[in-house]
Amino acid sequence: GQQVMQIPQYQHVQEGEDFTTYCNSSTTLSNIQWYKQRPGGHPVFLIQLVKSGEVKKQKRLTFQFGEAKKNSSLHITATQTTDVGTYFCAPAGGTSYGKLTFGQGTILTVHP
Amino acid sequence: EAQVTQNPRYLITVTGKKLTVTCSQNMNHEYMSWYRQDPGLGLRQIYYSMNVEVTDKGDVPEGYKVSRKEKRNFPLILESPSPNQTSLYFCASSLWGYGYEQYFGPGTRLTVT
Repeated sequence: GQQVMQIPQYQHVQEGEDFTTYCNSSTTLSNIQWYKQRPGGHPVFLIQLVKSGEVKKQKRLTFQFGEAKKNSSLHITATQTTDVGTYFCAPAGGTSYGKLTFGQGTILTVHP
Repeated sequence: EAQVTQNPRYLITVTGKKLTVTCSQNMNHEYMSWYRQDPGLGLRQIYYSMNVEVTDKGDVPEGYKVSRKEKRNFPLILESPSPNQTSLYFCASSLWGYGYEQYFGPGTRLTVT
């Protein structure tokens, strides 16, 4: 699987502040997926990005795929307490359709 | 309801006692995978299966075995568990490998003493 660095590892914000997590790869990716895991829960799929420079939005969440397809970001506008959890990127590339390597995850806490 | 189920959800065992964690999906997915989650290390893939009778190693396969005799089931076997296998385990399935949304099971919390 592809090796990626996800930063930051932790982020503490006040409710209403914005939040961004980044996923960086040294090699070109075929696509990248983002997942959210609530505390005590299991990862849940959020979105998949495939095209260079792609931007997708889901309400307050904005996902971007870099022009070189080596990095991606997830931005949350005006965080809410319901945004609490760990956000993982899961990049894919190369010739293996089965081997997947998740980023280390960013743990988001939101203070009301 | 489309889902991935895992059993047991919690397990405390002793070093060396063989155990199996079951995983089943009802979505007719070709692809299934096992991950372990440890603090600070994210999700690491143990084994995956592209379809029945086809399995392959992920990033951390040592100490684990799997089998895929039927499409819906993908059990994880620990022949001789050790304390360093204490972890949270997730099974996942998707229609076909990467490029498709993965559906995760609820997780199995394993403690090996």
